[in-house]
Amino acid sequence: DGGITQSPKYLFRKEGQNVTLSCEQNLNHDAMYWYRQDPGQGLRLIYYSQIVNDFQKGDIAEGYSVSREKKESFPLTVTSAQKNPTAFYLCASSIFGGGDQPQHFGDGTRLSIL
Amino acid sequence: GENVEQHPSTLSVQEGDSAVIKCTYSDSASNYFPWYKQELGKRPQLIIDIRSNVGEKKDQRIAVTLNKTAKHFSLHITETQPEDSAVYFCAVGPNTGNQFYFGTGTSLTVIP
Repeated sequence: DGGITQSPKYLFRKEGQNVTLSCEQNLNHDAMYWYRQDPGQGLRLIYYSQIVNDFQKGDIAEGYSVSREKKESFPLTVTSAQKNPTAFYLCASSIFGGGDQPQHFGDGTRLSIL
Repeated sequence: GENVEQHPSTLSVQEGDSAVIKCTYSDSASNYFPWYKQELGKRPQLIIDIRSNVGEKKDQRIAVTLNKTAKHFSLHITETQPEDSAVYFCAVGPNTGNQFYFGTGTSLTVIP
C-alpha cells in the first residue's frame, strides 16, 4: 500500500494549538477516510470523503476538521477543541465509497501533547 | 450503527498450531467482512475478506468463515509461524452507508 503517504510520522501539539496531519494518495481512489486508534480499541472513524469537495462526519468528529480540495489529498486538522488528541491517526482510501470496498491504509501519524 | 464484538482480545499459540478469532455483528444487512493485520507501529493490512454471498474463503494458511444466520464470522490461521504475531482486526461493512465498523482487535502471539 505504498500509494498512501501520511506525514509527519510523529507530531507534538502544544496547548491551544491547531495541528494538521497530511494524507496523500496516488491510487486514484475516490473515497478517503480518517481514523483514530487508541490502545485497546478498534479504529474509530473521524471523517470520510466520497468525492472532492464533499465530506461527512464519522462517529468522533468533534474537535477535528477536514478538507477535500483535491482527489489526492485529505488533510486532517486537530483543533484546540479536541481535549484529548493523543492517539495514532490513520488515513485510508478505497476505490469508491460504500461499505463493501476494501480500505487501504497509510503508515499513520502519532500525535502527542507537549 | 453496527455493533461489532471481537474475541478473544489476546491469544497465544505454539508455533504450528491453529488460531481462531471470532467476530459477531448486529446488523443482518451487513454484507462485507474484511480482516486486517497490524504489526506494532505499522499500518493495518488487508489479509482476507469475504462477502455475504459466500460462506467460506481460503488463501493459503488463512481462511475466513461467515455464518449469516448467526451473524458471526471467524478468521482461521493454520500452521502458525512467529511472523503471524500481530494484532488482528475484523471489520463489518454495512449494506447501506459508507463506513466500516471495526472490532477491538486480537493480539496474537505465536510462541516458537
